[in-house]
Amino acid sequence: DVKVTQSSRYLVKRTGEKVFLECVQDMDHENMFWYRQDPGLGLRLIYFSYDVKMKEKGDIPEGYSVSREKKERFSLILESASTNQTSMYLCASSLGLKQETQYFGPGTRLLVL
Amino acid sequence: SQQGEEDPQALSIQEGENATMNCSYKTSINNLQWYRQNSGRGLVHLILIRSNEREKHSGRLRVTLDTSKKSSSLLITASRAADTASYFCATDAYSNYQLIWGAGTKLIIKP
Repeated sequence: DVKVTQSSRYLVKRTGEKVFLECVQDMDHENMFWYRQDPGLGLRLIYFSYDVKMKEKGDIPEGYSVSREKKERFSLILESASTNQTSMYLCASSLGLKQETQYFGPGTRLLVL
Repeated sequence: SQQGEEDPQALSIQEGENATMNCSYKTSINNLQWYRQNSGRGLVHLILIRSNEREKHSGRLRVTLDTSKKSSSLLITASRAADTASYFCATDAYSNYQLIWGAGTKLIIKP
């Protein structure tokens, strides 16, 4: 069974803190994705990675950075958290073929105070 | 950028009834997918239909695709309380690895 795990289900941080969200997949997938989900807006892509050390900006990369040092791990970094980054963050992975099925982690609900 | 748009935004039906949700998109696609999200959880893939397919079944799910109308529908037959969830369609983008997501249909099954 495909498994994508995220380091935290819930996280509370203060404005200005540096925040790390970790995602690990065990399927040897090439592609990994970070989304944020807000009510009424669906899923919006922040960053994705198609290979180790490779990354591409999605639709809303501002205020975020990512790191992929190993194939199975994709980290999302909020350099200086702000209240408008309060959201649900979802990590996903997919096999090498583009635009095929994505497998999601359970999500991290981040609250920035 | 959003390509898929689900309709209706919310749907409430009695257990045992059929539920139909629709998805419209704007540009040509190679495939369209449907996902389910239970409250506060990650998304689960339900079904993928390719542009050369018109209909696909998986258990109580039936998906149709009309490329001339740029639309798809998801039918859940004999609904159960466990089907209560949000349902999203996703299409492949004009670019590369991205899926383009709609805002979802929230389905509530009343006992």
